[in-house]
Amino acid sequence: DQQVKQNSPSLSVQEGRISILNCDYTNSMFDYFLWYKKYPAEGPTFLISISSIKDKNEDGRFTVFLNKSAKHLSLHIVPSQPGDSAVYFCAALAQGGSEKLVFGKGTKLTVNP
Amino acid sequence: DVKVTQSSRYLVKRTGEKVFLECVQDMDHENMFWYRQDPGLGLRLIYFSYDVKMKEKGDIPEGYSVSREKKERFSLILESASTNQTSMYLCASFNRDRVPYGYTFGSGTRLTVV
Repeated sequence: DQQVKQNSPSLSVQEGRISILNCDYTNSMFDYFLWYKKYPAEGPTFLISISSIKDKNEDGRFTVFLNKSAKHLSLHIVPSQPGDSAVYFCAALAQGGSEKLVFGKGTKLTVNP
Repeated sequence: DVKVTQSSRYLVKRTGEKVFLECVQDMDHENMFWYRQDPGLGLRLIYFSYDVKMKEKGDIPEGYSVSREKKERFSLILESASTNQTSMYLCASFNRDRVPYGYTFGSGTRLTVV
């Protein structure tokens, strides 16, 4: 049973517009969430994270929003750039537990020039 | 910054061969992980290790084993490679010493079994 779900396998947006990537989780023990970005033939790289004590975290063009009651988080990229084209993985962690990240299946973002 | 190094970027092996994938991290992290990534299936955990000589099965351990003789090195072993093990293999170590917590991944090994 998938504990972290990214229901959109792909997303296409125009350069300069907003990209919104969504992620849902089912395990209420998760209290720390991360987004990773992955280019083909490379390992994932950390993008941004959020603790469950917050509902928003911002880093430059990237903002993550957390809605705990809905068990939903989203990643906003504004403005989107062609170099943002990659696969984005949402991940969740229950701190104090096994330190195993639980990943979603990823969303492939394409930003068109 | 933490560095996680995977010994090979690309490998081609024959069916039935024993294959070793090596991973080294330089930050004294206790927890290390092996994943494989396949299109549409995301990242699937094969094995992980909490400490030297400690290992636990992940979600898809069949056909794989691991070795952790030293803290910095975590090896994935394909006992008898098969074509369905053609995949991207990713090693990671877990940082819990400073925010942000989470994994640092290696660059990956693209394994093709023919």
